[in-house]
Amino acid sequence: GENVEQHPSTLSVQEGDSAVIKCTYSDSASNYFPWYKQELGKRPQLIIDIRSNVGEKKDQRIAVTLNKTAKHFSLHITETQPEDSAVYFCAASQAGGSYIPTFGRGTSLIVHP
Amino acid sequence: NAGVTQTPKFQVLKTGQSMTLQCAQDMNHNSMYWYRQDPGMGLRLIYYSASEGTTDKGEVPNGYNVSRLNKREFSLRLESAAPSQTSVYFCASSEAADSGYTFGSGTRLTVV
Repeated sequence: GENVEQHPSTLSVQEGDSAVIKCTYSDSASNYFPWYKQELGKRPQLIIDIRSNVGEKKDQRIAVTLNKTAKHFSLHITETQPEDSAVYFCAASQAGGSYIPTFGRGTSLIVHP
Repeated sequence: NAGVTQTPKFQVLKTGQSMTLQCAQDMNHNSMYWYRQDPGMGLRLIYYSASEGTTDKGEVPNGYNVSRLNKREFSLRLESAAPSQTSVYFCASSEAADSGYTFGSGTRLTVV
């Protein structure tokens, strides 16, 4: 089955800095890669996703990049703000059938004012 | 638009007791899922239902059962609760396996 590794487990940055979270996956058939943000005590929420036919996708201060050859994808947050502090989860899945997303273990991002 | 609604939000059980966690979605999604979240372990899939009428085991199904009652509702039952089942449980739904999830607000379960 699919295996998703996520690094780092904890990331501490100063407000205004950039943050990068990386995930690797094992199954080359995976073609859908979502990212979720979970604030303390809240539910995970989808913030951005990318499919394997696209190398990069941006939405304001967040972007995701995908390297299919190396089987890794990354979340980039620019100009971090204290409200970006949360746990971020990556996932990998495959279109069609009942292939279920596999989640990384999460990265706790702390943005210091 | 309520999205995914889970009940209850909090529950304390004694070892050996049973309970059912309820989940309903109003987005006409085909797939529904139950996850548990433990510190440092991320989100682990318990059971899922790819479509109405089907259910399948996930990564950690032991001690749980599920029912896809109709397209909207997917319940999780603990027949004989154990302290190892102390966790936060999330229900989620999606249009398909390759579309984003919408999560419920979670149930914090403590088994003593």
